[in-house]
Amino acid sequence: EDQVTQSPEALRLQEGESSSLNCSYTVSGLRGLFWYRQDPGKGPEFLFTLYSAGEEKEKERLKATLTKKESFLHITAPKPEDSATYLCAVPPTQGGSEKLVFGKGTKLTVNP
Amino acid sequence: NAGVTQTPKFQVLKTGQSMTLQCAQDMNHNSMYWYRQDPGMGLRLIYYSASEGTTDKGEVPNGYNVSRLNKREFSLRLESAAPSQTSVYFCASSEFLTYEQYFGPGTRLTVT
Repeated sequence: EDQVTQSPEALRLQEGESSSLNCSYTVSGLRGLFWYRQDPGKGPEFLFTLYSAGEEKEKERLKATLTKKESFLHITAPKPEDSATYLCAVPPTQGGSEKLVFGKGTKLTVNP
Repeated sequence: NAGVTQTPKFQVLKTGQSMTLQCAQDMNHNSMYWYRQDPGMGLRLIYYSASEGTTDKGEVPNGYNVSRLNKREFSLRLESAAPSQTSVYFCASSEFLTYEQYFGPGTRLTVT
């Protein structure tokens, strides 16, 4: 069964304290890994797509990396406005459509 | 360019009542999706539509029906609402043969 597991479930950081979020997956034949940010009361907002091991993508204080079995979202010197829930998702092993399987997310809180 | 819009934003139903959640996108996307998001469960796919005139079941389709009215609009109907359908519902869309999904702001539904 395809699974996407995110850890930790919740993370509290002080402003400026760098850390990483983890997303591990069990799908076969990865066809991309997707990171989203979700603010309270809003829909998920697309951040990054990674397609192959070793690939990296950056946006402001966020950098996403990909290995064969997991992805990391590194947050460098975070600010309070980075507080959100971060979701990762992958297409399921059974292809034929543009569906995604989502992890349960990591809720990040950055204190000033 | 509004992206993905959903109506209503909030709704309270009594057990057994019916209602339709509306979704529209103005990005000319082929594929559209309905998810529900519950605490501790993450995003779960209810139904999706790969193109106008086609719909398929997702992970949790029981108790729901959908209609792909045209390329822009995808509606979700609850025929006889149950308390277990209390959730936040998100609509999303994506271009043909891509996995990057764009989400609407959500509908918060409470069934009493």
